[in-house]
Amino acid sequence: ETGVTQTPRHLVMGMTNKKSLKCEQHLGHNAMYWYKQSAKKPLELMFVYSLEERVENNSVPSRFSPECPNSSHLFLHLHTLQPEDSALYLCASSQGTGGTYEQYFGPGTRLTVT
Amino acid sequence: KNQVEQSPQSLIILEGKNCTLQCNYTVSPFSNLRWYKQDTGRGPVSLTIMTFSENTKSNGRYTATLDADTKQSSLHITASQLSDSASYICVVRGGSNDYKLSFGAGTTVTVRA
Repeated sequence: ETGVTQTPRHLVMGMTNKKSLKCEQHLGHNAMYWYKQSAKKPLELMFVYSLEERVENNSVPSRFSPECPNSSHLFLHLHTLQPEDSALYLCASSQGTGGTYEQYFGPGTRLTVT
Repeated sequence: KNQVEQSPQSLIILEGKNCTLQCNYTVSPFSNLRWYKQDTGRGPVSLTIMTFSENTKSNGRYTATLDADTKQSSLHITASQLSDSASYICVVRGGSNDYKLSFGAGTTVTVRA
């Protein structure tokens, strides 16, 4: 295990539902990330938090809303999603945001929007 | 256009055989390049990291090479095992203070007995 956990592992939701993804890191890292991984495509960076401050919102639609209450926890709140939002959502953490700091990934949440 | 291109998209090899995966990038400036392994149902895990001055780095049966002049990297898997079946992702970091990474789409390797 990488020290980054994500729940739930699988989620099926309708377009009118509201749900939240949770990520927790046990590594004492200062930065956390949300990525979207679609089949056969490169990972897409969605949000970056450094020391609990959001430093990146990569043109993500407002139907995705991140929350970072402390340096160990990261949430992604979902509402009125579209079928094209179906993907694997990966959370990652790192000691810092630059240099050679490795990003440690969680196992992901497989999201299906019906 | 993606700044990190990987080839092939997928490959199938027999257990015990070797294979080489390719990564070409256009990211500039260049800080470092990592190869990640992503097993089905799991997140990516780093195999190697290479900086500008490094040409070769090994991690067990995995050997990565880097040619910073031609902006090419390769990952060689020796004596493949069934557990090597996974997606291998090439990731490039630009400026040393840049938190943004450029990801390749990955090469899916299937090892058959």
